Amino acid sequence: DAGITQSPRHKVTETGTPVTLRCHQTENHRYMYWYRQDPGHGLRLIHYSYGVKDTDKGEVSDGYSVSRSKTEDFLLTLESATSSQTSVYFCAISESSVMAGTFYEQYFGPGTRLTVT
Amino acid sequence: DQQVKQNSPSLSVQEGRISILNCDYTNSMFDYFLWYKKYPAEGPTFLISISSIKDKNEDGRFTVFLNKSAKHLSLHIVPSQPGDSAVYFCAAMDDKIIFGKGTRLHILP
Repeated sequence: DAGITQSPRHKVTETGTPVTLRCHQTENHRYMYWYRQDPGHGLRLIHYSYGVKDTDKGEVSDGYSVSRSKTEDFLLTLESATSSQTSVYFCAISESSVMAGTFYEQYFGPGTRLTVT
Repeated sequence: DQQVKQNSPSLSVQEGRISILNCDYTNSMFDYFLWYKKYPAEGPTFLISISSIKDKNEDGRFTVFLNKSAKHLSLHIVPSQPGDSAVYFCAAMDDKIIFGKGTRLHILP
C-alpha cells in the first residue's frame, strides 16, 4: 500500500467555521490531489498540486483552498464551511501525470468524512 | 454534462459467473481509461487500465475492452468472487482525469 495518511478521519463542524484537512505521503511523489465523493457524483477533483507551492484548480474548487509547503504534505482548507461541503474527501498521489505526457496511476488515501451541521 | 457515464448504479452476479461492468464516454480526446475498485470506508484502488490505441487489456481475472467507435468500455471479471463485491469507478483521461459515478457490484453466494 502506498504511504498516504489523512487526518482527521472523521470531523463534525458547524456552518461558518474554518476546517483544514491534511494529507501526508511518504512516497515522495510529485503530484497530490484532493477529491470529494458524493452520492450520485462519483469522485470530483477539487485542487491538485504538481510540486511544492505549485497548485491548480480542479472541477469543484469554489469554497476551497490548498497549500503545499513540503513535498509530503498537502492541506485542504474550507475557509467557512457550508452544509454543501458535507462529503467524503480523498487525497491521492501520483508519481507522474498526464500533464507531463505520461500515464500515471493515482494512489488514494483512506478518506476523511466531513459533516457540516 | 457527464463526460463519463456508468448507467448501472448496481449489479448482482452469482459467484463463479462473469461480471460485466459498462462505461460510456463522450469526449473523443480521452486517451487513457482506468478502472478503480472501492470498498466501504477505504480509498479507491487502481485495478486495470487501457490506452486508446488498444482494444483489450487483460490482467488475471480482469479484462477491459475498449470500443472507440462506440465510445464504450467494459470491465469483465471472470470468475466472480465474493471479494469482488465493491463499487467500481470508470475513469477517463486527457489533460485531466474524469470519474464516472460508480457501479456497486454484489457477488451472490
